[in-house]
Amino acid sequence: GIQVEQSPPDLILQEGANSTLRCNFSDSVNNLQWFHQNPWGQLINLFYIPSGTKQNGRLSATTVATERYSLLYISSSQTTDSGVYFCAGLRDDKIIFGKGTRLHILP
Amino acid sequence: EAQVTQNPRYLITVTGKKLTVTCSQNMNHEYMSWYRQDPGLGLRQIYYSMNVEVTDKGDVPEGYKVSRKEKRNFPLILESPSPNQTSLYFCASSLVAGTQYFGPGTRLTVL
Repeated sequence: GIQVEQSPPDLILQEGANSTLRCNFSDSVNNLQWFHQNPWGQLINLFYIPSGTKQNGRLSATTVATERYSLLYISSSQTTDSGVYFCAGLRDDKIIFGKGTRLHILP
Repeated sequence: EAQVTQNPRYLITVTGKKLTVTCSQNMNHEYMSWYRQDPGLGLRQIYYSMNVEVTDKGDVPEGYKVSRKEKRNFPLILESPSPNQTSLYFCASSLVAGTQYFGPGTRLTVL
């Protein structure tokens, strides 16, 4: 099956720092999305980004579908950005998630 | 308010006692899924449904059943739960090609 690799697995940053999270797929997928799971376990969709670039405030994402990867950028990190970030894609009607990047923002 | 609801939120049960976790969405979405989340493994899809009466296996379907009799509801059934099904479960819905919306999760413990 398709493999989804997210890097780095863990990231600790000081408040105000910038970060780039990466998601690689072993084969092409559709409907690539990014999610944030907050420390209370709630999963929140950040971006639906099958291709191209989108921005929402301090967050932006870029997907290069032809090269099977996506990047999530977080600028000027805040403690509320802490949690786990997941990417997911759709292939043959199934949705595959990466194992996530755990981000911890220090005050 | 557009939302996905799950019940119960927490459940402790014993091996072999049948249980059902309900999932309901009010967004008229065609696609619905169940996932389990285990430490270090991310989210894994259990079953999904493309529309009413259409269900199919995800990556980890063993020990689970689902049904889709109405568009808004997608219950998850564990006929004979075992301890290895102790996990955090999420229901989600979306348009077939669109953003997924997740329920709040159900934490299940099987003793």
